[in-house]
Amino acid sequence: DAGITQSPRHKVTETGTPVTLRCHQTENHRYMYWYRQDPGHGLRLIHYSYGVKDTDKGEVSDGYSVSRSKTEDFLLTLESATSSQTSVYFCAISGDFNEKLFFGSGTQLSVL
Amino acid sequence: GEDVEQSLFLSVREGDSSVINCTYTDSSSTYLYWYKQEPGAGLQLLTYIFSNMDMKQDQRLTVLLNKKDKHLSLRIADTQTGDSAIYFCAEIPSNTGKLIFGQGTTLQVKP
Repeated sequence: DAGITQSPRHKVTETGTPVTLRCHQTENHRYMYWYRQDPGHGLRLIHYSYGVKDTDKGEVSDGYSVSRSKTEDFLLTLESATSSQTSVYFCAISGDFNEKLFFGSGTQLSVL
Repeated sequence: GEDVEQSLFLSVREGDSSVINCTYTDSSSTYLYWYKQEPGAGLQLLTYIFSNMDMKQDQRLTVLLNKKDKHLSLRIADTQTGDSAIYFCAEIPSNTGKLIFGQGTTLQVKP
């Protein structure tokens, strides 16, 4: 998976709890992205980063925050998880913005 | 609109050719992509075509681009059971710079 590791691979949590998903890359790519994949909605961009401490919102950013303190790590935080955030979350990286993305294996998150 | 459209399902027999179609939104999109997603895995970049090309061939894969009709297709020759997956087309419209994925086409290959 082009040197991308997502952790955890699976998580079950309760409504109202904070959750942090981690994406780690070894490719030194500038751009990193968080997507969620849901049946009937395809892939939707949550947030992306264009450098250390440089992030921006995607189309479904409400309820999510991100941080990038190092080139290789991009964290996605659900401050207070809701059932609507049950989904499969994918991290992706690229050298140029939106071009030729490489995806991680995903995190299956269930919010009960 | 911003929707990239694909048919949801395609079933073929092993050894046959598969053709997966996609209609995109912006005739000035620079790159058009095909991604493959196997069960339980992330998306994998399969191939891409630059907008000034009409066709690109890569081993068993042939990508055809019709800019006039904004139509993209992916042909897989001699389809194998290992080709069973979901295939996504994606574009980057020049006016938004956003990467837009289609809903994905599930390819089922029967032995």
